[in-house]
Amino acid sequence: AQKVTQAQTEISVVEKEDVTLDCVYETRDTTYYLFWYKQPPSGELVFLIRRNSFDEQNEISGRYSWNFQKSTSSFNFTITASQVVDSAVYFCALSDRYGGATNKLIFGTGTLLAVQP
Amino acid sequence: GAGVSQTPSNKVTEKGKYVELRCDPISGHTALYWYRQSLGQGPEFLIYFQGTGAADDSGLPNDRFFAVRPEGSVSTLKIQRTERGDSAVYLCASSLDLDAPSYNEQFFGPGTRLTVL
Repeated sequence: AQKVTQAQTEISVVEKEDVTLDCVYETRDTTYYLFWYKQPPSGELVFLIRRNSFDEQNEISGRYSWNFQKSTSSFNFTITASQVVDSAVYFCALSDRYGGATNKLIFGTGTLLAVQP
Repeated sequence: GAGVSQTPSNKVTEKGKYVELRCDPISGHTALYWYRQSLGQGPEFLIYFQGTGAADDSGLPNDRFFAVRPEGSVSTLKIQRTERGDSAVYLCASSLDLDAPSYNEQFFGPGTRLTVL
């Protein structure tokens, strides 16, 4: 079955702290894609990253970094030196071939990140 | 260029009424998705269009929900005999539909917040 688990419902940090958002996924497929989206208070989902199952290299983009570990079925997201503007709900999502040709996304329940000034 | 647009941004209706929600995808995007996001949850897939046809409607919760895309561009999600449980944000996304193995990014609209009283 396809499933994405984000065990952290809410996280509160003080500005400039580092924070890691956890994501654990389940899939029977060997070919799949993992995503992170940001949903600020405005509500629109903003794409952050896509990673395919054959690429386990970690990625860094500015203050953002992602750690993909197939051995533990995890795809964690770290924000370094957090800022108030990072406050949002963050979703991890999965797409695999069992979703058919649709590429439909299976989302986790999200983690609400609050960065206090 | 213009992103995915959805109208109305908010819709309040009474139980038992019929509603239509509209999605304008990014120009040139042949794939279109509808998702529903209940409070505190991640988006859940409803239906996927490839061109004019619904290629996957497995996420529609029951036969009160229906969607069309008659000209392969704008799509309308229709809900009959609305119930209070239908209250949610309805998100639309579109993507190109390139051949595999490319993954086709989904770009999300701002959503329509539906409230059924």
